[in-house]
Formats: sequence, structure tokens, C-alpha cells
Amino acid sequence: DVKVTQSSRYLVKRTGEKVFLECVQDMDHENMFWYRQDPGLGLRLIYFSYDVKMKEKGDIPEGYSVSREKKERFSLILESASTNQTSMYLCASSIGTGWPNSPLHFGNGTRLTVT
Amino acid sequence: RKEVEQDPGPFNVPEGATVAFNCTYSNSASQSFFWYRQDCRKEPKLLMSVYSSGNEDGRFTAQLNRASQYISLLIRDSKLSDSATYLCVENQGTDKLIFGTGTRLQVFP
Repeated sequence: DVKVTQSSRYLVKRTGEKVFLECVQDMDHENMFWYRQDPGLGLRLIYFSYDVKMKEKGDIPEGYSVSREKKERFSLILESASTNQTSMYLCASSIGTGWPNSPLHFGNGTRLTVT
Repeated sequence: RKEVEQDPGPFNVPEGATVAFNCTYSNSASQSFFWYRQDCRKEPKLLMSVYSSGNEDGRFTAQLNRASQYISLLIRDSKLSDSATYLCVENQGTDKLIFGTGTRLQVFP
């Protein structure tokens, strides 16, 4: 079974803080993703990565950056947290571009509150 | 990028009932679709993949109608444990998935 692990279930941060959300997958997947989920808006893609050291912007990258130094780890960084970044953050992985129809496997989410 | 649309519900059904949800998509070239189940305050979990006309897994059946560009999820003999939000997902290629906002199902005794 694929395991995608997010380092924190709940986080409370102050406005202006730099925030790191960590995600690790154990199935040697090439693709990794960061989404946020808000009521009524569904899942929105922030950033994704097809390989180590590569990253692509998703639909809402503003205010975020990512890092993928190792294949199994994909980090989401909030450079200066703001209250509108309060949300549920979901990391996901999938096998790779050689498997175009492969589904996503999600971590259990990080509920971030910015005060 | 076009949207995936779902009826948000809630669908309130008694145990044992059959219930169906539809989901429409816009990109006629999309090849694969997924249904995910999401419990309250939990992550989405893959329920079914749909690559051709449909798929069946026990009490769950997914159908794909390319002509009308929708997929459906049918749940037979509903259980209390089926209560959740069901997310419809379209794969538009290049590993970018488009998520619907979900349909909420509540099964009551």
C-alpha cells in the first residue's frame, strides 16, 4: 500500500511567519503534488513536481514555494503566512508520467490555521 | 482548464437504498476518471478508476458516457458507513487531475 505521510496534522502559525509543510512518500513515485482544500472550492493545485529538483506551478501558486531535493520528499513553503492561507493542505503522489492514468494517493492532510 | 461539476447534495437516503450521483466534465479528450471518497476532515481515498465505459466493484458501479460527457456512481444497498463526500475527478492528461467539489451522501438508519 502506498503511504504518503505529512509531518503535521494540525498547525497554528502567526501572520508573517515562514511555514514549512513536509510530505514523504514511500513508493518511489515520480510525481508529487500539493493541494489546498477549502469549503465550496474543492481541491486546488498549488504546485507539483515530476522529478527531483523540478517543480511546476499549479493553479494557485502565489504566496507559496516548493522544494524537492529528494525523490521521496516534497516540501511546501509559505514564505510569509497570511490569514487567507488558513486551509487544509493535502500532499499527494502518483506513479509517474509513464503511467498517465494513474490515480493520486493522498497524505492525511495538514490543517493550518494562520492567526 | 475546464471544470468538473457535481451536485453538492446532500443526498439523504435510508439504509438499503440505491443512490446515484452524476458528474459532468468538459474536456472531450479526457481518457480517465476517478471517484474518490472523502470522510469529514480526512483525506480523499480512491474508490474507483474509470478508463473505458465503466467499472464495477461490489456494490459500487461507475459508468462513463462519452457522448454526453458525464460519469456516474451508483451505490446499491447503501450502508451507514457509505456516508461521506464523493469526489469526481477528471484526468485531462499530463498527470493534472481536475477535482469536482464533491457530492455529500448521508445514509440514515
